[in-house]
Amino acid sequence: GDSVTQMEGPVTLSEEAFLTINCTYTATGYPSLFWYVQYPGEGLQLLLKATKADDKGSNKGFEATYRKETTSFHLEKGSVQVSDSAVYFCALFSGGYNKLIFGAGTRLAVHP
Amino acid sequence: DTGVSQDPRHKITKRGQNVTFRCDPISEHNRLYWYRQTLGQGPEFLTYFQNEAQLEKSRLLSDRFSAERPKGSFSTLEIQRTEQGDSAMYLCASSPEAARESYGYTFGSGTRLTVV
Repeated sequence: GDSVTQMEGPVTLSEEAFLTINCTYTATGYPSLFWYVQYPGEGLQLLLKATKADDKGSNKGFEATYRKETTSFHLEKGSVQVSDSAVYFCALFSGGYNKLIFGAGTRLAVHP
Repeated sequence: DTGVSQDPRHKITKRGQNVTFRCDPISEHNRLYWYRQTLGQGPEFLTYFQNEAQLEKSRLLSDRFSAERPKGSFSTLEIQRTEQGDSAMYLCASSPEAARESYGYTFGSGTRLTVV
């Protein structure tokens, strides 16, 4: 079935470092892809999305490009801040299953 | 409209008790979803409604779980005879029917259930 695999965390970075969180997916057809962020004790917030191959989603300095050839949607940010510390979830909308399917999440900790 | 609201935010209950959670979706969204999230894991799908019709239930949703969405507005999720393994964050989300594949979902803040 459709699935999402994320790199295991935690990812620990210093402020202003470059961030990459890897995400790959398995799906039939061409799913829409999403990154969500979850701050402690909160629900999930949509960070960015891409709906077709080669689309780049971006928001708040974060970017991810839909790569059909590698079935990937890696999250990047050029310079992280302490306030970016959270758990990041990659997800796909599975047309076959008609719902969002999430990866296990990657915890990011940014220290000053 | 202030987004998806869930109530309560936290619930502590004794094993064997029944609990009920409420979700109020964004008013113009006709799809409503329930997910469960355990510590260190991503959200897992439980069930979803289109208007008042419950269209799908996950195998995770045992007979002790029931969800309703009367009149296609708010939804309730009830867990009967709670077990310690039910301890988790229960997330509600909504989306419009149209363009649901590209919209993503709007999530509430969740209800954290602790069964002692």
